[in-house]
Amino acid sequence: GQQLNQSPQSMFIQEGEDVSMNCTSSSIFNTWLWYKQDPGEGPVLLIALYKAGELTSNGRLTAQFGITRKDSFLNISASIPSDVGIYFCAGQLNTGNQFYFGTGTSLTVIP
Amino acid sequence: ETGVTQSPTHLIKTRGQQVTLRCSSQSGHNTVSWYQQALGQGPQFIFQYYREEENGRGNFPPRFSGLQFPNYSSELNVNALELDDSALYLCASSLENNEQFFGPGTRLTVL
Repeated sequence: GQQLNQSPQSMFIQEGEDVSMNCTSSSIFNTWLWYKQDPGEGPVLLIALYKAGELTSNGRLTAQFGITRKDSFLNISASIPSDVGIYFCAGQLNTGNQFYFGTGTSLTVIP
Repeated sequence: ETGVTQSPTHLIKTRGQQVTLRCSSQSGHNTVSWYQQALGQGPQFIFQYYREEENGRGNFPPRFSGLQFPNYSSELNVNALELDDSALYLCASSLENNEQFFGPGTRLTVL
């Protein structure tokens, strides 16, 4: 199956700092999704990206569909305690309907 | 608008038993995808149902099977349970093959 690598694996930041994380693949994707998952709950969709180079914001979150179509980036500005959780990227190939999920980035925000 | 719901919330089974998990899709959605999420990992695609037919399958053995009903709700059945089947099982609904919205999951423990 497809391997999506997310980095960093974990982050510990101070409240108010900005956060950047990324997701890379060896394959070209036509859709990228970013999710946040709290312990014991299902992932919540944050941002969806459909075109190479696309930059989309959702409040303090901004995500970009990489130009090569093999990567995507998520930024969180002015982090707050409720940003704590695990962030997953998910990509979909041009063929097929399966979404492949990354390994996740665990975010801890220190008040 | 009702979100994705799953039942039961938790389940404990023993090896060799069979289990059925249920999912009600978000209103207006006609596609349901099932994922297995082991502890500390990203969700892994099991299969997708669209118009009551299986519409794509991940790398899971045939003892993982499913159904979709005319109201678009779905079931995941797992036969001959193994210890490694212990995981969070997530259902995601979507309109056609677009953005997927997840339910809260069913935590399955196999003893």
